[in-house]
Amino acid sequence: QVQLVQSGAEVKKPGSSVKVSCEASGGAFSSNLIHWVRQAPGQGLEWMGRTIPINGITGYSVNFKGRMTITADKFTSTIFMELSRLTSDDTATYYCARGDFYSFDLWGQGAKVTVSS
Amino acid sequence: QSALTQPPSASGSPGQSVTISCSGTSSDVGGYNYVSWYQHHPGDAPKLLIYEGDKRPSGVPDRFSGSRSGNTASLTVSGLQTEDEAFYYCSSYAGSDYYVVFGGGTKLTVL
Repeated sequence: QVQLVQSGAEVKKPGSSVKVSCEASGGAFSSNLIHWVRQAPGQGLEWMGRTIPINGITGYSVNFKGRMTITADKFTSTIFMELSRLTSDDTATYYCARGDFYSFDLWGQGAKVTVSS
Repeated sequence: QSALTQPPSASGSPGQSVTISCSGTSSDVGGYNYVSWYQHHPGDAPKLLIYEGDKRPSGVPDRFSGSRSGNTASLTVSGLQTEDEAFYYCSSYAGSDYYVVFGGGTKLTVL
């Protein structure tokens, strides 16, 4: 079964970094793109960035460029999203999602990240 | 503040139709035919309903339809069912700085 399975919830201190993983099984890795989208409490969805796992090409929203890094491990079909210099505004549920350049047809279950001192 | 503007709420009775709008600019909705719509039940992962403005992925009922006119896209849900009660988000390609932008979401209530 094609699915994206994300790592668990994290609690981080302000100023630190978080690394969220997204394991693609059943062929989800292949030639698709993997995107990262987040949702802060009570807020809407926000696109963060994307990668093409087979060649490692990445693209980031201008809102996250410089403090977000997406990497992929082709051997384990796992994509990682690292966000640095965390603030309380980064408290959110982070989703990975498979798709083409413009739409996302398969989503992970989400990983809740809480930034608190 | 979201890049695309959606009404915060919409409602309808079972069997009725409801249309949700998504307003953008010529730099996103009006400039590219890459509007998508997602259904999100809180606690679950979002689900793709419409892509490229009016295309439905396999398995999505034809009660869901998408359209675009100028800088505004719309999602119409016909024959409302109780399970349609959810949040609905539009998104659009927005060029090489933001790539993809979302609307703020619309909470659909089936009365």
